[in-house]
Amino acid sequence: AQSVSQHNHHVILSEAASLELGCNYSYGGTVNLFWYVQYPGQHLQLLLKYFSGDPLVKGIKGFEAEFIKSKFSFNLRKPSVQWSDTAEYFCAVNAGILTGGGNKLTFGTGTQLKVEL
Amino acid sequence: NAGVMQNPRHLVRRRGQEARLRCSPMKGHSHVYWYRQLPEEGLKFMVYLQKENIIDESGMPKERFSAEFPKEGPSILRIQQVVRGDSAAYFCASSPKGQGITGELFFGEGSRLTVL
Repeated sequence: AQSVSQHNHHVILSEAASLELGCNYSYGGTVNLFWYVQYPGQHLQLLLKYFSGDPLVKGIKGFEAEFIKSKFSFNLRKPSVQWSDTAEYFCAVNAGILTGGGNKLTFGTGTQLKVEL
Repeated sequence: NAGVMQNPRHLVRRRGQEARLRCSPMKGHSHVYWYRQLPEEGLKFMVYLQKENIIDESGMPKERFSAEFPKEGPSILRIQQVVRGDSAAYFCASSPKGQGITGELFFGEGSRLTVL
C-alpha cells in the first residue's frame, strides 16, 4: 500500500519569504500526485496535480511543485508567500488507477503554514 | 453550480448514540469517498462508493460504521454507539464517472462530530 510523508508539520514564515514543503511517497509504480490546500474554515481545494509530462507543475496562486521520481518526492514551492497563504497543505498520491481503487487518494498528515505580516 | 454538500456541519452526540452524516455529491458525480480527519493527523480514507455499490471499504472500522449511497438521495455515513474516539471531522468527496479517471476529488466542508 502506498504512503505519503510530510516532514514539516508546522511552518512559520514572514511575508515575502520563500516556501518549500516536503512530500515523499512510497509506491513503486505509476502514481498521480496532488497538493491540496485547506484555508481556515473551508473545504480542501486542489492546488496542483501531476499526472505525466513536465515534472515541474504550476498551480494556482503562484504555487509549483516538482516531481522527482528518483527521490519519490513531490515538493511544493512558492517564491514569495503572502499572509493569505496561511492554511494547511496536504500532499496526496493516487495509485488507484492501477489497483481499481478509482480516485482513492492517500494523504499525508498535512503541514500547517502560518505566514506572519 | 453547487459543490459537495455535507450536513450537518456540526454534530454533538453522547456516548452510545448514533450519528448520521450526509453527503450530496457535486452534480453529475456518481462516485463518493468518505475520509476521516483526527486531530494532528491527515485525512484517512474510509470508504469509496458508487450508486448502490460499495467499491472499497478497506478503511472502515469493522464494527459500528457503515456507509451507503442509494440510487436516490445522499450518501450516508452511519456510526452506531459512538465513542469518544469517534470525535473527528468527516469529509466527503466526489468525482465524476467516466472521462477517464482524472484523480481529482472535490471535497465538501466536512462534518465535525463531537462525542461527549
